[in-house]
Amino acid sequence: EVQLVESGGGLVQPGGSLRLSCAASRFTFSSYWMTWVRQAPGKGLEWVANINENGSEEYYVGSVKGRFTISRDNTKNSLFLQMNSLTAEDTAFYYCATHSGFRIHYWGQGTLVTVSS
Amino acid sequence: QSALTQPPSASGSPGQSVTISCTGSSSDVGGYNYVSWYQQHPGKAPKLIIYDVTRRPSGVPDRFSGSKSGNTASLTVSGLQAEDEADYYCNSYADVSDVHWVFGGGTKLTVL
Repeated sequence: EVQLVESGGGLVQPGGSLRLSCAASRFTFSSYWMTWVRQAPGKGLEWVANINENGSEEYYVGSVKGRFTISRDNTKNSLFLQMNSLTAEDTAFYYCATHSGFRIHYWGQGTLVTVSS
Repeated sequence: QSALTQPPSASGSPGQSVTISCTGSSSDVGGYNYVSWYQQHPGKAPKLIIYDVTRRPSGVPDRFSGSKSGNTASLTVSGLQAEDEADYYCNSYADVSDVHWVFGGGTKLTVL
């Protein structure tokens, strides 16, 4: 069964940076698009960014463009999200997920990012 | 404000059927057959239950079905069971600048 484990979340001050990681296993990581989706506590889901199989294509939601960078290391079966210039509006659980065809399929359990002074 | 509109709540008794709607526009739901539905229990990650409007991943009971008409997609849960009580989110590919995947605001399904 596909396994995705996020890490790197925590408390950060407004304007700060954080790097999330997602360790993938039990599937051929390099064959899949990957995506980050976030969910503010008690709120709905929001697509954040995705990246193609070899990392040559990246797409972002407008609210994070220029601040967040998605990347991957297929040699280590890992997905990353570098988050800069964080604001309170970025406070959320961040999920990494596989992107197959036009569906976001398997999800990790999420890591919580809290932006607060 | 979410890009796709869902009712905030829905309910039904065990054994009954419930339908949850998801309304978008011609730039997302109406323009593509790429609507997915996710089930999320409290404190858990979302789980894919419907994709490409009508298709079910392996292991998802056939009590869950999807459909679409124009700019509105629907999820029907038949033969409601207690474990179906959860939040349900729709999702669609979108041909809109600055957002490629849009979600609905979620519907809390209560099994009475």
